Amino acid sequence: AQSVTQPDIHITVSEGASLELRCNYSYGATPYLFWYVQSPGQGLQLLLKYFSGDTLVQGIKGFEAEFKRSQSSFNLRKPSVHWSDAAEYFCAVGVLTNAGKSTFGDGTTLTVKP
Amino acid sequence: NAGVTQTPKFRVLKTGQSMTLLCAQDMNHEYMYWYRQDPGMGLRLIHYSVGEGTTAKGEVPDGYNVSRLKKQNFLLGLESAAPSQTSVYFCASSLRTAEAFFGQGTRLTVV
Repeated sequence: AQSVTQPDIHITVSEGASLELRCNYSYGATPYLFWYVQSPGQGLQLLLKYFSGDTLVQGIKGFEAEFKRSQSSFNLRKPSVHWSDAAEYFCAVGVLTNAGKSTFGDGTTLTVKP
Repeated sequence: NAGVTQTPKFRVLKTGQSMTLLCAQDMNHEYMYWYRQDPGMGLRLIHYSVGEGTTAKGEVPDGYNVSRLKKQNFLLGLESAAPSQTSVYFCASSLRTAEAFFGQGTRLTVV
């Protein structure tokens, strides 16, 4: 079975600083990988996804993520954080042969300092 | 586009009461899911469905039942609510690529 680990429960960065959120996954084959964002009181919104091909994927709101097979990682990055990026971020791994079900990490809460 | 719509958005139940949460999607997705979200525990899958008329158990199915009589709707039922079922419930739908679209959530409190 697949699993996802987000090592950082909470991260604080200053507005304008760069951001990297870590995600490690466990799965025997190449998975489908996702990052979602959840603002307070809202549902989860897809930021970006990796299915195959270029290992650097671009998403919405200026986010990008890099798939590194050798490290089983899919870290999320943003070069300059805005106050509106404060939210909870979830990494997920999906498996086509498993009814499209995704396994989610426990999430990383991002706080942005002015 | 509505996407995934959940009703109600908030609900308070007394222990032992029953209720049904409704999820509707207008994207013609085959797969639908019910998750619960609790602090520090991420999202846990309750039940899911791979098509009209089919349902299956997820990670934490006890105390819940589901039905998918129509492709666009996925209902989650609590027959006898318990305080441990206080949570935020999310419905999601997806294509076979596992890219999920979520509703806004239902905040349920059982007292």
